[in-house]
Amino acid sequence: GQQLNQSPQSMFIQEGEDVSMNCTSSSIFNTWLWYKQDPGEGPVLLIALYKAGELTSNGRLTAQFGITRKDSFLNISASIPSDVGIYFCAGQLPQGAQKLVFGQGTRLTINP
Amino acid sequence: KAGVTQTPRYLIKTRGQQVTLSCSPISGHRSVSWYQQTPGQGLQFLFEYFSETQRNKGNFPGRFSGRQFSNSRSEMNVSTLELGDSALYLCASSFAALLRINNEQFFGPGTRLTVL
Repeated sequence: GQQLNQSPQSMFIQEGEDVSMNCTSSSIFNTWLWYKQDPGEGPVLLIALYKAGELTSNGRLTAQFGITRKDSFLNISASIPSDVGIYFCAGQLPQGAQKLVFGQGTRLTINP
Repeated sequence: KAGVTQTPRYLIKTRGQQVTLSCSPISGHRSVSWYQQTPGQGLQFLFEYFSETQRNKGNFPGRFSGRQFSNSRSEMNVSTLELGDSALYLCASSFAALLRINNEQFFGPGTRLTVL
């Protein structure tokens, strides 16, 4: 099936550092979404991107919809302990199915 | 406002059995989507229901089915369980159909199914 390549798979950083992760695909997507999942919980939507080139911020989070529509990145500035978790990208294919395809996730660990 | 609720939270079944999972969306939401999450395959879309109709379906075998009731509550059924069906099953609700502009999707905590 369709695949999103999300990297890195894991990150170990110091509190206060900036974080960057991205997703790429050989397919074109209509929509890019970024989610965060805490242990034992469902994913929570962080940012939604609907237009190629769109750059959107949500507090310390910034995400961009790549101009080619095949990639997206998420940046977290000045990381804090509660940023720990697994971050997923998801893309919506332009074909009629409207199904979501998810990346494999980036596990973020923060050393205080 | 209550969030998305899923029951049961944990379930243990044996191969060959069938299982029904339930999802109650946020009040007023009409779209319910189901996802399977496993360590190996990650998060995969199963299907979406909107106003009691299945709108979209992922690449899962016919053993996976669902339905939605007039109050927007949804059930997912898996028949003839296989070991590989062990996973966290998540449902998510939204007001409008999946992925309309500015239509945020809220996830429930999931049902963890273990097949022995």
